Order: sequence, then structure tokens, then C-alpha cells
Amino acid sequence: DQQVKQNSPSLSVQEGRISILNCDYTNSMFDYFLWYKKYPAEGPTFLISISSIKDKNEDGRFTVFLNKSAKHLSLHIVPSQPGDSAVYFCAASAGGIQGAQKLVFGQGTRLTINP
Amino acid sequence: GAGVSQSPRYKVAKRGQDVALRCDPISGHVSLFWYQQALGQGPEFLTYFQNEAQLDKSGLPSDRFFAERPEGSVSTLKIQRTQQEDSAVYLCASSLVGAGLKETQYFGPGTRLLVL
Repeated sequence: DQQVKQNSPSLSVQEGRISILNCDYTNSMFDYFLWYKKYPAEGPTFLISISSIKDKNEDGRFTVFLNKSAKHLSLHIVPSQPGDSAVYFCAASAGGIQGAQKLVFGQGTRLTINP
Repeated sequence: GAGVSQSPRYKVAKRGQDVALRCDPISGHVSLFWYQQALGQGPEFLTYFQNEAQLDKSGLPSDRFFAERPEGSVSTLKIQRTQQEDSAVYLCASSLVGAGLKETQYFGPGTRLLVL
């Protein structure tokens, strides 16, 4: 079963506009959420994270929103820039007995920013 | 080093061959993770080390997969008698601290394994 889902495989946005990437999860034990960006032939690069005790975290052009009741989070990028074109992964973790922070990833959304 | 490094970057193996994939984590990082990423999918957890101790290997798909981190630094993921379904990108990640804290995992570039 897919515990973290990104239902949009791709998204195309005009440069300068807002990009909104969505992610849904099913496991109520998840308490930490992250967004990673991935360029071809490179590993995922950390973007921004949020703990379940918050509902919003902002870092420059990137804002992550968490709706725990809906088990939904979203990443907003504003304004979008051509360099933002990449695959974006949502990931979640739950505190384990030994705090093993293994991440559970969604399938990814390919974002294309058009000039 | 400045980031997580992995070698080789690409590996082509014949079915039945054994392979060894290496990961050099960020210096001083306590935690080390291995993930497998199939084409078009997100990474999937394989195993986790805290220093030299392998605390979670629940994601290893079969007993053909073995990982070690004997001195708490470099780690090796070994796949014995490779099968075509083992073809994937193998990602290594490290984080600074160990259990109980929410820490960012930093990923290496991955090793792309193709089994023919």
C-alpha cells in the first residue's frame, strides 16, 4: 500500500506564477514531513521540512503547508523560476522505537516551469 | 568530504553476478540509510545504520541483499546473485544525529545498477 501519494505525475507552470505541489498520506503515525527536489542523474536535494506540531513552514520562495486532519501537505513555490524545473518528492517519517527516521516517499511530481 | 559520495556511479552486471556498492557519508554523520529507487518511483527504504549498528533492515527485499558499516563510516551494500528485478538506482543518505531526533537526510548521487 502506498502510504504517501503524489497524485499528479506532472505539473506545468508559467515562470513567475505560483507552483503548488500536493501530497497525501495515510499513516497517522507520520510526524515529520519533507520535500526533496531531484535533477536527472543526481540524488534528491533537501528543500524544506515541517513537523506535525506546525501547520506552516516558510523558507524564501518555498512554503510547506500541513493539514493533519486531511492528511495532506502541499509545497508552494512563488515566484516559480526555470531552475525549479525538476522532480519533487514528498517524504514522511514516524518516530520508531530507536528513532529510525526511515523516510517513506511519494512517487514524485515532475514540475516544468515555462519561460 | 562536502557531501555524500557513492561509487560506482553506474554498474552493469550479468544476472547471477555479485555486486558491491559503496557509500561515503558526510564526515561525522551518525546515521546512514540505503534506499532503492525503481524507474518512475520514489525511493524505498532498505536499511539503516546508527554508527556501526544496523538497527533496521526491514526493507531489504531478500537475503541476497546485505549491508555493512563496520567502522561506523563507509558503508557497503552487497547484492549476491543479481536478478533483473534488482535493476534500480541505489541511494545512500546520511544524517548528523541518531535516534529520537528529526534530522534532514542528505543524499548521494546514487549508483545506477543494470542487471542484464
